[in-house]
Amino acid sequence: DAGITQSPRHKVTETGTPVTLRCHQTENHRYMYWYRQDPGHGLRLIHYSYGVKDTDKGEVSDGYSVSRSKTEDFLLTLESATSSQTSVYFCASARALGASPLHFGNGTRLTVT
Amino acid sequence: SQQGEEDPQALSIQEGENATMNCSYKTSINNLQWYRQNSGRGLVHLILIRSNEREKHSGRLRVTLDTSKKSSSLLITASRAADTASYFCATDDSNYQLIWGAGTKLIIKP
Repeated sequence: DAGITQSPRHKVTETGTPVTLRCHQTENHRYMYWYRQDPGHGLRLIHYSYGVKDTDKGEVSDGYSVSRSKTEDFLLTLESATSSQTSVYFCASARALGASPLHFGNGTRLTVT
Repeated sequence: SQQGEEDPQALSIQEGENATMNCSYKTSINNLQWYRQNSGRGLVHLILIRSNEREKHSGRLRVTLDTSKKSSSLLITASRAADTASYFCATDDSNYQLIWGAGTKLIIKP
């Protein structure tokens, strides 16, 4: 989706290092999400945001933090990367909750060695 | 927790045939959505059906919802090679957060 860009697209990092993934949307959507996708698990919600500086935890938030200083930007930080955080990370945005489709970026493939 | 579960996990059919995928869920929902994911890309929204709707159409897509059985199906008619992708259902919980199934991988053979 051209309205959401994620950077970087690929990253390899070492265990114990901090990592920040970036998500930028041009849709002016209020809600933004970070998911991780692993084989056999579908998408699992890490954190989400319901407005600037308003964030909350998802089901797999341990070891992750987020920040949203502007409507268009949502950052995901792995405070000290572990091998279990090797995954594909997707950012998404939505205009509203409920009957409002999510728009996804193309993902960041993160490998922690 | 995994609310939506797709069935089958993988499906391989000939081009031109119809493809049917199913999604089951466990608790009451407000809406159910279907998404497509091409290899190496993000998910793309296909269709949303509300809990008070039973059927919805969009082009070659037909979605049904049976709330009594807590299940939905996605039918793709006259399949094309470009339909090769993974398909996911997502249901919303009481806080309107989406819960995703593990997906059905669809392969269309030429």
